[in-house]
Amino acid sequence: EAGVAQSPRYKIIEKRQSVAFWCNPISGHATLYWYQQILGQGPKLLIQFQNNGVVDDSQLPKDRFSAERLKGVDSTLKIQPAKLEDSAVYLCASSLNRGKPLHFGNGTRLTVT
Amino acid sequence: DAKTTQPNSMESNEEEPVHLPCNHSTISGTDYIHWYRQLPSQGPEYVIHGLTSNVNNRMASLAIAEDRKSSTLILHRATLRDAAVYYCILWNNFNKFYFGSGTKLNVKP
Repeated sequence: EAGVAQSPRYKIIEKRQSVAFWCNPISGHATLYWYQQILGQGPKLLIQFQNNGVVDDSQLPKDRFSAERLKGVDSTLKIQPAKLEDSAVYLCASSLNRGKPLHFGNGTRLTVT
Repeated sequence: DAKTTQPNSMESNEEEPVHLPCNHSTISGTDYIHWYRQLPSQGPEYVIHGLTSNVNNRMASLAIAEDRKSSTLILHRATLRDAAVYYCILWNNFNKFYFGSGTKLNVKP
């Protein structure tokens, strides 16, 4: 089966600019996650979708981050405006359903200068 | 959310078994124990999970203490490709997959 696809692979922007990341989960997977991983740390959950509804976004900085999962398939994560501390790898994962093993993409490495 | 404690780093020799410990003294009866690993420049990868009984799969074995307050991920013969950060995570239907800092495994040839 095809894995979780993410794009772009790398992105460099200046602070205060906006950026968007795209994720295509494994076909049929109901649950989708966005994680932020800062260098040297474990992944931090930003938002979790169940189909196209948000299950948890308690750690999403909502003043600058937004995410959507239209039609319960693809998802986009946006940052507007970006700050230096947003430099990180943004990982998308999907699972067949809640509690099932997560399948991760290889992430988008964001550098904010 | 339920918390796990892992050593920051461990070292192993190639082709020898590796035992990666995880403490979860506040585990509840409905918490599953999940293990993931993350190779350099890749997203985390599922390894194994269990509830009460020991579990085996092609990648590893999971040994769960009788009181469930600790568990051990066992790699039977470490290879250089097993060098990664290993994460132990507790999950139940009411919490989320929260990753800690994990254990960085170094495998020496």
